[in-house]
Amino acid sequence: QQQVKQSPQSLIVQKGGISIINCAYENTAFDYFPWYQQFPGKGPALLIAIRPDVSEKKEGRFTISFNKSAKQFSLHIMDSQPGDSATYFCAASKSYGGSQGNLIFGKGTKLSVKP
Amino acid sequence: SAVISQKPSRDICQRGTSLTIQCQVDSQVTMMFWYRQQPGQSLTLIATANQGSEATYESGFVIDKFPISRPNLTFSTLTVSNMSPEDSSIYLCSVDSYLGNEQFFGPGTRLTVL
Repeated sequence: QQQVKQSPQSLIVQKGGISIINCAYENTAFDYFPWYQQFPGKGPALLIAIRPDVSEKKEGRFTISFNKSAKQFSLHIMDSQPGDSATYFCAASKSYGGSQGNLIFGKGTKLSVKP
Repeated sequence: SAVISQKPSRDICQRGTSLTIQCQVDSQVTMMFWYRQQPGQSLTLIATANQGSEATYESGFVIDKFPISRPNLTFSTLTVSNMSPEDSSIYLCSVDSYLGNEQFFGPGTRLTVL
C-alpha cells in the first residue's frame, strides 16, 4: 500500500517557467511533509518542509502548498532554472518523541529544465 | 544542519559476501535511520537505530540480513549480509537535526553486487 502518491513521474519545463509537483497522502496522522532534491550520485538534500498548521510556506523560489482536507501538498518552483534539473521526492511522516520519525517517500519526479 | 559522512562511498562486491557501511555524524543525535534506494527508485526505510537499544526494522527487512550497530550518539553501521545482486542499491543514513524538526541525509553508499 503506497501511502504517499507523487505525480508527475517526469516533468519538462522551460527556463523561467513554473514547475509544479503534486503529492497525496493517506495517513491523517502524518504531521511532517518535506521535499527533497536529489542530483545523480548524491544523497537527497532537504529543500523545504511544512507542517499541517500552515497552508503555505515559501523559501526563495520554492513554495509548498498544503491542503489538509484534501490530504494533498505540492511543490512549486518559480522561475525554474537548468540547475534545478534533478529528481524531487515528497515525503511524509508522523513525528514522535522529538523526531520526525520514519519518512514515507513518494516515487519521485524527474524534473528537466530546458534552457 | 548536521554533516553526515558515509564509508565507503561505493563498492563492488561478490555474491555471498557481506559489506559493512559506516555512518558518521558531526554532532550527537538521538535517532539514526537507514534507507535503501534501489536503482531509479524511491527511498525505503530499512530500520531505525537508537543508541543503546536494538534497531527497529521495517516490514520486509530482518536483522539477520541487515544487522545494525549504534555504539554511540554519532556513529552507526549497517551490514548487508550474504549479498545477492538484488541487494545492489544505494544505502543512505539519515539523522534528525539537533532540534529534531528536520531530517538530513548522508551522501549514500552505492553498492553493486555481482
